[in-house]
Amino acid sequence: GDSVTQTEGLVTLTKGLPVMLNCTYQTTYSPFLFWYVQHLNEAPKLLLKSSTDNKRTEHQGFYATLHKSSSSFHLQKSSVQLSDSALYFCALSEASNTDKVVFGTGTRLQVSP
Amino acid sequence: ETAVFQTPNYHVTQVGNEVSFNCKQTLGHDTMYWYKQDSKKLLKIMFSYNNKQLIVNETVPRRFSPQSSDKAHLNLRIKSVEPEDSAVYLCASSPHWGGSTGQLYFGEGSKLTVL
Repeated sequence: GDSVTQTEGLVTLTKGLPVMLNCTYQTTYSPFLFWYVQHLNEAPKLLLKSSTDNKRTEHQGFYATLHKSSSSFHLQKSSVQLSDSALYFCALSEASNTDKVVFGTGTRLQVSP
Repeated sequence: ETAVFQTPNYHVTQVGNEVSFNCKQTLGHDTMYWYKQDSKKLLKIMFSYNNKQLIVNETVPRRFSPQSSDKAHLNLRIKSVEPEDSAVYLCASSPHWGGSTGQLYFGEGSKLTVL
């Protein structure tokens, strides 16, 4: 079945530094990829989405590029802020008749002053 | 702005009791879901409904049963709770079904603690 792999459980950075959170996926269907962000005691919210190969998508300073050749959708930001501290989920939508969204295990980003 | 409403937000109960969580979305979406987020923050889909019809039923214990009266409502009943049911239950909706963008709009969650 479909799966999403996030290799880092926790990433700790000082504010102002760049960050990359890894995401790879497996699917037999045409993929839709997403990044969701969940702040403490809040619901997950969509941050980015893409289904277009090799096209960079950006939102709120974060960006990601879907690379179908390597089955990757890494999340990046050039300069993290304290407010970016949160749990980040990579997710995959099956472009099939089940409309199921599968989530990775999440990466917690902690930004220190 | 919240458009997926869940009640109750917190519930503490004892093993063997019955629990129900309610979810309503005001976005006019066709598809609704229940996800379980455990203590490690893993998000796992339990059920999805499209326009009141069950589409996805993952391998969950039979004590869990979803109920949908119309496409704006999806409730979750747990007939006899077990300690491993302690988790946050997240309701979500999405605009389309079948090869959609899959973007989910989540509610605030219903945290269940089973003593």
